[in-house]
Amino acid sequence: NAGVTQTPKFRVLKTGQSMTLLCAQDMNHEYMYWYRQDPGMGLRLIHYSVGEGTTAKGEVPDGYNVSRLKKQNFLLGLESAAPSQTSVYFCASSLDWARDQKRYFGPGTRLTVT
Amino acid sequence: AQKVTQAQTEISVVEKEDVTLDCVYETRDTTYYLFWYKQPPSGELVFLIRRNSFDEQNEISGRYSWNFQKSTSSFNFTITASQVVDSAVYFCALSEATGANSKLTFGKGITLSVRP
Repeated sequence: NAGVTQTPKFRVLKTGQSMTLLCAQDMNHEYMYWYRQDPGMGLRLIHYSVGEGTTAKGEVPDGYNVSRLKKQNFLLGLESAAPSQTSVYFCASSLDWARDQKRYFGPGTRLTVT
Repeated sequence: AQKVTQAQTEISVVEKEDVTLDCVYETRDTTYYLFWYKQPPSGELVFLIRRNSFDEQNEISGRYSWNFQKSTSSFNFTITASQVVDSAVYFCALSEATGANSKLTFGKGITLSVRP
Protein backbone atom coordinates (compact mmCIF):
# COMPACT_ATOMS: atom_id res chain seq x y z
CA ASN A 1 0.00 0.00 0.00
CA ALA A 2 1.97 2.99 -1.29
CA GLY A 3 -0.59 5.68 -0.39
CA VAL A 4 -0.19 8.75 -2.59
CA THR A 5 2.74 8.92 -4.98
CA GLN A 6 3.90 11.75 -7.22
CA THR A 7 6.04 11.76 -10.34
CA PRO A 8 8.52 13.38 -10.83
CA LYS A 9 10.07 14.52 -7.53
CA PHE A 10 12.04 17.36 -9.11
CA ARG A 11 11.87 19.17 -12.41
CA VAL A 12 13.42 22.25 -13.99
CA LEU A 13 11.59 23.86 -16.90
CA LYS A 14 12.31 26.79 -19.13
CA THR A 15 9.67 29.47 -19.55
CA GLY A 16 7.14 28.38 -22.13
CA GLN A 17 7.76 24.66 -21.82
CA SER A 18 4.99 22.29 -20.87
CA MET A 19 4.87 19.35 -18.52
CA THR A 20 2.53 17.02 -16.68
CA LEU A 21 2.73 16.02 -13.05
CA LEU A 22 1.30 12.63 -12.20
CA CYS A 23 -0.41 11.73 -8.95
CA ALA A 24 -1.47 8.20 -8.13
CA GLN A 25 -3.26 6.78 -5.10
CA ASP A 26 -4.01 3.19 -4.23
CA MET A 27 -6.54 3.78 -1.45
CA ASN A 28 -9.61 3.85 -3.71
CA HIS A 29 -10.27 7.45 -2.69
CA GLU A 30 -12.92 9.41 -4.57
CA TYR A 31 -11.50 12.88 -3.98
CA MET A 32 -8.15 14.10 -5.24
CA TYR A 33 -6.53 17.51 -5.01
CA TRP A 34 -3.59 19.50 -6.29
CA TYR A 35 -2.03 22.14 -4.03
CA ARG A 36 0.92 24.42 -4.44
CA GLN A 37 3.11 25.51 -1.57
CA ASP A 38 5.01 28.77 -1.68
CA PRO A 39 7.15 30.31 1.06
CA GLY A 40 5.02 32.15 3.59
CA MET A 41 1.80 31.24 1.76
CA GLY A 42 0.85 27.88 3.17
CA LEU A 43 -0.89 25.50 0.79
CA ARG A 44 -3.30 26.75 -1.82
CA LEU A 45 -5.72 24.59 -3.77
CA ILE A 46 -5.22 24.59 -7.54
CA HIS A 47 -7.79 22.07 -8.78
CA TYR A 48 -9.65 19.15 -7.33
CA SER A 49 -11.70 16.17 -8.46
CA VAL A 50 -14.71 14.59 -6.81
CA GLY A 51 -14.51 11.43 -8.87
CA GLU A 52 -13.37 9.82 -12.09
CA GLY A 53 -14.06 12.04 -15.07
CA THR A 54 -14.73 15.19 -13.00
CA THR A 55 -12.57 18.20 -12.19
CA ALA A 56 -13.17 21.60 -10.63
CA LYS A 57 -11.23 24.80 -10.02
CA GLY A 58 -9.76 25.64 -6.69
CA GLU A 59 -8.29 28.84 -5.34
CA VAL A 60 -5.47 29.39 -7.86
CA PRO A 61 -6.36 27.51 -11.09
CA ASP A 62 -4.96 29.89 -13.72
CA GLY A 63 -2.18 28.44 -15.86
CA TYR A 64 -3.00 24.83 -14.94
CA ASN A 65 -5.18 22.09 -16.34
CA VAL A 66 -6.09 18.75 -14.83
CA SER A 67 -7.56 15.44 -15.84
CA ARG A 68 -8.97 12.46 -13.94
CA LEU A 69 -9.41 9.73 -16.53
CA LYS A 70 -8.89 6.97 -14.00
CA LYS A 71 -10.00 7.00 -10.39
CA GLN A 72 -6.52 6.36 -9.09
CA ASN A 73 -4.75 9.04 -11.14
CA PHE A 74 -4.94 12.82 -11.14
CA LEU A 75 -2.79 14.72 -13.63
CA LEU A 76 -1.74 18.35 -13.38
CA GLY A 77 -0.63 20.03 -16.58
CA LEU A 78 1.27 23.23 -17.22
CA GLU A 79 0.77 24.24 -20.85
CA SER A 80 3.22 27.13 -20.92
CA ALA A 81 5.29 27.32 -17.76
CA ALA A 82 6.02 30.69 -16.18
CA PRO A 83 8.53 31.60 -13.42
CA SER A 84 5.54 32.35 -11.15
CA GLN A 85 4.76 28.64 -11.23
CA THR A 86 8.01 27.81 -9.46
CA SER A 87 6.70 26.03 -6.38
CA VAL A 88 6.34 22.76 -4.55
CA TYR A 89 3.29 20.87 -5.73
CA PHE A 90 1.43 18.46 -3.50
CA CYS A 91 -1.20 16.00 -4.49
CA ALA A 92 -3.66 14.72 -1.91
CA SER A 93 -6.61 12.37 -1.73
CA SER A 94 -9.48 11.76 0.65
CA LEU A 95 -12.12 9.11 1.00
CA ASP A 96 -15.07 11.42 0.44
CA TRP A 97 -16.12 15.04 0.64
CA ALA A 98 -17.20 15.13 4.27
CA ARG A 99 -15.69 17.86 6.35
CA ASP A 100 -13.96 15.48 8.69
CA GLN A 101 -12.01 13.67 6.04
CA LYS A 102 -8.30 14.19 6.32
CA ARG A 103 -6.24 14.56 3.21
CA TYR A 104 -3.50 12.06 2.54
CA PHE A 105 -0.64 13.90 0.91
CA GLY A 106 1.97 12.78 -1.56
CA PRO A 107 5.68 13.57 -1.06
CA GLY A 108 5.60 16.66 -3.29
CA THR A 109 7.17 17.73 -6.59
CA ARG A 110 9.63 20.61 -6.58
CA LEU A 111 9.30 22.55 -9.83
CA THR A 112 11.59 25.36 -10.92
CA VAL A 113 10.80 27.46 -13.96
CA THR A 114 13.69 29.54 -15.27
CA ALA B 1 -15.08 33.22 4.03
CA GLN B 2 -13.01 30.91 6.12
CA LYS B 3 -9.57 31.94 7.28
CA VAL B 4 -6.76 30.49 9.37
CA THR B 5 -4.18 32.72 11.00
CA GLN B 6 -0.90 31.48 12.37
CA ALA B 7 0.61 34.69 13.61
CA GLN B 8 3.91 33.15 14.65
CA THR B 9 6.13 32.54 11.64
CA GLU B 10 9.26 31.15 13.28
CA ILE B 11 9.92 29.81 16.75
CA SER B 12 13.25 28.63 18.11
CA VAL B 13 13.57 26.74 21.39
CA VAL B 14 16.16 24.67 23.17
CA GLU B 15 15.54 20.98 23.54
CA LYS B 16 13.29 20.02 26.47
CA GLU B 17 11.52 23.37 26.48
CA ASP B 18 7.74 23.44 26.09
CA VAL B 19 6.43 25.33 23.08
CA THR B 20 2.93 26.41 22.02
CA LEU B 21 1.96 27.01 18.42
CA ASP B 22 -1.02 29.31 18.01
CA CYS B 23 -3.86 28.97 15.53
CA VAL B 24 -6.83 31.31 15.18
CA TYR B 25 -9.59 30.63 12.71
CA GLU B 26 -12.61 32.37 11.21
CA THR B 27 -15.69 30.65 9.89
CA ARG B 28 -19.42 31.26 9.58
CA ASP B 29 -20.28 27.60 9.82
CA THR B 30 -21.44 26.06 13.06
CA THR B 31 -20.02 22.72 12.00
CA TYR B 32 -16.41 22.57 10.95
CA TYR B 33 -13.23 20.61 11.45
CA LEU B 34 -9.76 21.72 12.46
CA PHE B 35 -6.53 19.94 11.62
CA TRP B 36 -2.85 20.15 12.38
CA TYR B 37 -0.26 18.87 9.91
CA LYS B 38 3.49 18.59 10.35
CA GLN B 39 5.98 19.09 7.52
CA PRO B 40 9.45 17.87 8.51
CA PRO B 41 12.56 18.88 6.54
CA SER B 42 12.03 15.88 4.27
CA GLY B 43 9.00 17.72 2.88
CA GLU B 44 6.07 15.37 3.29
CA LEU B 45 2.91 16.46 5.11
CA VAL B 46 2.03 14.38 8.14
CA PHE B 47 -1.44 14.43 9.67
CA LEU B 48 -1.38 15.05 13.45
CA ILE B 49 -4.92 15.63 14.64
CA ARG B 50 -8.50 16.34 13.61
CA ARG B 51 -11.05 18.04 15.88
CA ASN B 52 -14.70 18.80 15.19
CA SER B 53 -16.45 21.96 16.28
CA PHE B 54 -18.71 20.17 18.75
CA ASP B 55 -15.91 18.68 20.76
CA GLU B 56 -14.06 21.21 22.89
CA GLN B 57 -12.26 18.64 24.99
CA ASN B 58 -8.54 19.07 25.01
CA GLU B 59 -6.57 16.20 23.58
CA ILE B 60 -3.25 14.78 24.63
CA SER B 61 -1.13 12.37 22.65
CA GLY B 62 2.21 11.69 24.24
CA ARG B 63 4.16 14.96 24.27
CA TYR B 64 1.56 16.66 22.07
CA SER B 65 -1.55 18.38 23.34
CA TRP B 66 -4.21 20.53 21.71
CA ASN B 67 -6.37 23.21 23.28
CA PHE B 68 -9.54 24.00 21.34
CA GLN B 69 -11.50 27.05 22.51
CA LYS B 70 -14.52 28.11 20.49
CA SER B 71 -14.94 31.27 22.55
CA THR B 72 -11.67 32.60 21.19
CA SER B 73 -11.74 30.66 17.87
CA SER B 74 -8.41 29.13 18.68
CA PHE B 75 -6.90 25.68 18.30
CA ASN B 76 -3.45 25.82 19.85
CA PHE B 77 -0.87 23.06 19.80
CA THR B 78 1.62 22.47 22.60
CA ILE B 79 4.71 20.30 22.47
CA THR B 80 6.00 19.35 25.89
CA ALA B 81 9.69 18.65 26.41
CA SER B 82 10.52 19.42 22.79
CA GLN B 83 13.02 17.32 20.89
CA VAL B 84 15.20 18.01 17.87
CA VAL B 85 12.97 15.69 15.82
CA ASP B 86 10.10 18.11 16.40
CA SER B 87 11.82 20.63 14.13
CA ALA B 88 9.42 21.15 11.26
CA VAL B 89 6.84 23.46 9.76
CA TYR B 90 3.45 23.08 11.39
CA PHE B 91 0.22 23.93 9.60
CA CYS B 92 -3.19 24.50 11.09
CA ALA B 93 -6.11 23.97 8.71
CA LEU B 94 -9.88 24.46 8.72
CA SER B 95 -12.52 22.51 6.81
CA GLU B 96 -16.10 23.68 6.57
CA ALA B 97 -18.94 22.21 4.58
CA THR B 98 -20.00 23.52 1.23
CA GLY B 99 -21.47 20.34 -0.19
CA ALA B 100 -19.16 18.60 -2.59
CA ASN B 101 -16.54 21.32 -2.26
CA SER B 102 -15.30 20.71 1.25
CA LYS B 103 -12.55 23.28 1.16
CA LEU B 104 -9.54 22.85 3.40
CA THR B 105 -7.94 26.19 4.21
CA PHE B 106 -4.40 26.20 5.51
CA GLY B 107 -2.61 28.75 7.63
CA LYS B 108 0.78 29.96 6.44
CA GLY B 109 2.63 27.64 8.78
CA ILE B 110 4.98 28.02 11.74
CA THR B 111 8.60 26.98 11.42
CA LEU B 112 9.75 25.39 14.65
CA SER B 113 13.45 24.90 15.28
CA VAL B 114 14.50 22.85 18.29
CA ARG B 115 18.18 23.26 19.15
CA PRO B 116 20.10 20.60 21.06
